[in-house]
Amino acid sequence: EVQLVQSGAEVRKPGESLRISCKGSEDTFANFWIGWVRQMPGKGLEWMGIIYAGDSDTTYSPSFEGHVTISADKSTNTAYLQWASLKTSDTAIYYCARHERTYGAFWIDHWGQGTLVTVSS
Amino acid sequence: SYALTQPPSVSVSPGQTAGITCSGDGLAKKFTYWYQQKSGQAPVVVIYEDNKRPSGIPERFSGSSSGTLATLTITGAQVDDEGDYYCYSTDDSGDHRGVFGGGTTLTVL
Repeated sequence: EVQLVQSGAEVRKPGESLRISCKGSEDTFANFWIGWVRQMPGKGLEWMGIIYAGDSDTTYSPSFEGHVTISADKSTNTAYLQWASLKTSDTAIYYCARHERTYGAFWIDHWGQGTLVTVSS
Repeated sequence: SYALTQPPSVSVSPGQTAGITCSGDGLAKKFTYWYQQKSGQAPVVVIYEDNKRPSGIPERFSGSSSGTLATLTITGAQVDDEGDYYCYSTDDSGDHRGVFGGGTTLTVL
């Protein structure tokens, strides 16, 4: 069974840094891309970016590039989403998502349970 | 930037057929995927590669695509099908960046 287990909810102040994690089973990370999806309160899904743990090849959505960092540790089958300086507008649920690659396109076949990040002064 | 457009809401009575559309210039060349998200839960894929249904998804869910328009059809909608539905595809950048539609809230009552 594919499992993606995300770290717990976080509360931070504006300007603080944060890293959240997503741990998968070995068969989840091997030969798959792991990505992150944002869902702001009461809003829709937004694709943020993906990483291939094998070589750390990373692709970002233009909307998020420069604002977050996606990384992975293939030795522990863990992906990370990191902020250097949070803003109140970063308040959202963040889902990690395993991406399948077929016909040259990436799509999400399994999701983590989500991590709620609250940024408030 | 690449965008996928969905109607904000669709409402049907139980047993009726619900159709949710997704339009985007790139859909003529790219597959469309559909995700269901029930309140407080993570999304689940219900249709992949335009019209394929994952194991465990009821047969009443089907997908189609023609030109720049993709459609998710729920034949004989049930109250349990209520939730938000998102279409998804990839852009033309060559880097295969994912894009979600704005989402459609399905009400069955």
